[in-house]
Amino acid sequence: KAGVTQTPRYLIKTRGQQVTLSCSPISGHRSVSWYQQTPGQGLQFLFEYFSETQRNKGNFPGRFSGRQFSNSRSEMNVSTLELGDSALYLCASSMGQGHYGYTFGSGTRLTVV
Amino acid sequence: EDQVTQSPEALRLQEGESSSLNCSYTVSGLRGLFWYRQDPGKGPEFLFTLYSAGEEKEKERLKATLTKKESFLHITAPKPEDSATYLCAVRDLYGQNFVFGPGTRLSVLP
Repeated sequence: KAGVTQTPRYLIKTRGQQVTLSCSPISGHRSVSWYQQTPGQGLQFLFEYFSETQRNKGNFPGRFSGRQFSNSRSEMNVSTLELGDSALYLCASSMGQGHYGYTFGSGTRLTVV
Repeated sequence: EDQVTQSPEALRLQEGESSSLNCSYTVSGLRGLFWYRQDPGKGPEFLFTLYSAGEEKEKERLKATLTKKESFLHITAPKPEDSATYLCAVRDLYGQNFVFGPGTRLSVLP
């Protein structure tokens, strides 16, 4: 069974640009969450989608947004990139909210220069 | 506000030398406590979910236990391939997101 797929694997962008990251969850998983991971802050929750609706949002500025499509695939967008946005962005999927653990993808490594 | 701390920050063991990792948490009501393993450059890999105090789960050389304030990940006779960062996370009854701890970086030397 295919795992969580994130594309692209690596990305280099210039400050001020915008970027879109993609996540395909495990087949049958309806919940998709996004996390930012940095050496200093660890794993920080960005947002969670369930059945195309944003259910939760972490404490990030409005430059960070996302959406989920009817096939459960999700995209995350960051506008007006800053140097501090350089991080590993992880997507995770789950069968649903509540008791289920997440299955993570390998992440997209974003470098802002 | 939910909080998770982990100790030690880093741990070096000789192959076969058993030890324990600690995860302390503060949560208004625990829905679940999760352990993950993360290798460099990869996403976290799910290990265990614990739901209530007194619960224990085992997988190969790993055993996770849970009390009302903390969880332990016991590693018995570790091997070099157990080297990784071990992350603990909680999900509370009211919020919907996970709160992760900073992790324990484990190195097992041959």
